[in-house]
Amino acid sequence: QKEVEQNSGPLSVPEGAIASLNCTYSDRGSQSFFWYRQYSGKSPELIMFIYSNGDKEDGRFTAQLNKASQYVSLLIRDSQPSDSATYLCAATKGTDSWGKLQFGAGTQVVVTP
Amino acid sequence: DVKVTQSSRYLVKRTGEKVFLECVQDMDHENMFWYRQDPGLGLRLIYFSYDVKMKEKGDIPEGYSVSREKKERFSLILESASTNQTSMYLCASYRLGSGNTIYFGEGSWLTVV
Repeated sequence: QKEVEQNSGPLSVPEGAIASLNCTYSDRGSQSFFWYRQYSGKSPELIMFIYSNGDKEDGRFTAQLNKASQYVSLLIRDSQPSDSATYLCAATKGTDSWGKLQFGAGTQVVVTP
Repeated sequence: DVKVTQSSRYLVKRTGEKVFLECVQDMDHENMFWYRQDPGLGLRLIYFSYDVKMKEKGDIPEGYSVSREKKERFSLILESASTNQTSMYLCASYRLGSGNTIYFGEGSWLTVV
């Protein structure tokens, strides 16, 4: 079992709709969780991170964390064609504070005009 | 802006060759990482360094070694390249206490034939 699991997709979303991405993790000690966006052939770029239960909003993006269920999600509101990318979920390894992360395999999102 | 530079973007090497992948960061970060990314597997940590001359194995260190002689430079070495090391290699850096922001380089695409 991978430590961080995501549906590979592709997730097809009409332009203007909400894209909902899910991620589960197995390490109960993980403290912080991250969503990265990666365009084809490019390196990952950080969208947002979350470490407290509940919701965290940043522009069109909302991250949700439920530590009891070991579940992290990302909502993208008003999806745009430029949001078409692979989204990587990542979690810190246990209580590690050195920046080491466990990554999921990524969910491909395709926003259709 | 933090810059993480991977000098070689695309390489083709023969089986058995020694391969060096170089990474330089310009923001005086203590921690540096080498990941590889493969379809369906996500990013996997190869090696991690938390200071000059200090290194720690990641999840998949076999077949790799690293060198960190200067704080800004972290090199990944494939002593004897094999075809199963064909992958994209990502370097990253992180400053302790920076709010969990990890910066990635642009990636090095290595093909071993």
